[in-house]
Amino acid sequence: DGGITQSPKYLFRKEGQNVTLSCEQNLNHDAMYWYRQDPGQGLRLIYYSQIVNDFQKGDIAEGYSVSREKKESFPLTVTSAQKNPTAFYLCASSPRLSTDEQYFGPGTRLTVT
Amino acid sequence: SQQGEEDPQALSIQEGENATMNCSYKTSINNLQWYRQNSGRGLVHLILIRSNEREKHSGRLRVTLDTSKKSSSLLITASRAADTASYFCATNPGGYNKLIFGAGTRLAVHP
Repeated sequence: DGGITQSPKYLFRKEGQNVTLSCEQNLNHDAMYWYRQDPGQGLRLIYYSQIVNDFQKGDIAEGYSVSREKKESFPLTVTSAQKNPTAFYLCASSPRLSTDEQYFGPGTRLTVT
Repeated sequence: SQQGEEDPQALSIQEGENATMNCSYKTSINNLQWYRQNSGRGLVHLILIRSNEREKHSGRLRVTLDTSKKSSSLLITASRAADTASYFCATNPGGYNKLIFGAGTRLAVHP
């Protein structure tokens, strides 16, 4: 059963702690993306990767970091430098870096108090 | 910055009625896509229309694209309660290999 998985679904952290969100895909896609969604707003691009060991900053990369050591995995770390980390985080992938269809995971809701 | 903006922000209709959502954008595009999001879930791709296409159909969905007005519309015919969701348009500013999403239209279909 192919797709994108994100874990956990809900995550709670104390302010000042770093937290890593998992994203795994078995679609054999080269490109992967991380988005942030706030209530009543569209998705904003945090980071994207077009191939293993390569990633680029999106529109709101400050306070976040990523790695792409394996094709299947693109974890996102929300660092303590992110001023307002509470949000819904969505991971997506596509066969290659392009403007065609993206496939989304179910999302992780992060709450930082 | 927002490239695509959906209108209306919220839409409430009865089952069986048609639902129309609009998307306006600012710069030239390669394609425009519509996605659906059920509450608290990931996005699901519905349809992609390329800049040289004017209309596209998929089941009960009909999408139009007017590049001269920089706008698109999504029509859902004979709506069902299960169509209740948020609908987002996504565009790519010319030359960029990434998508920019609007804030979405929240559709509620009442039985």
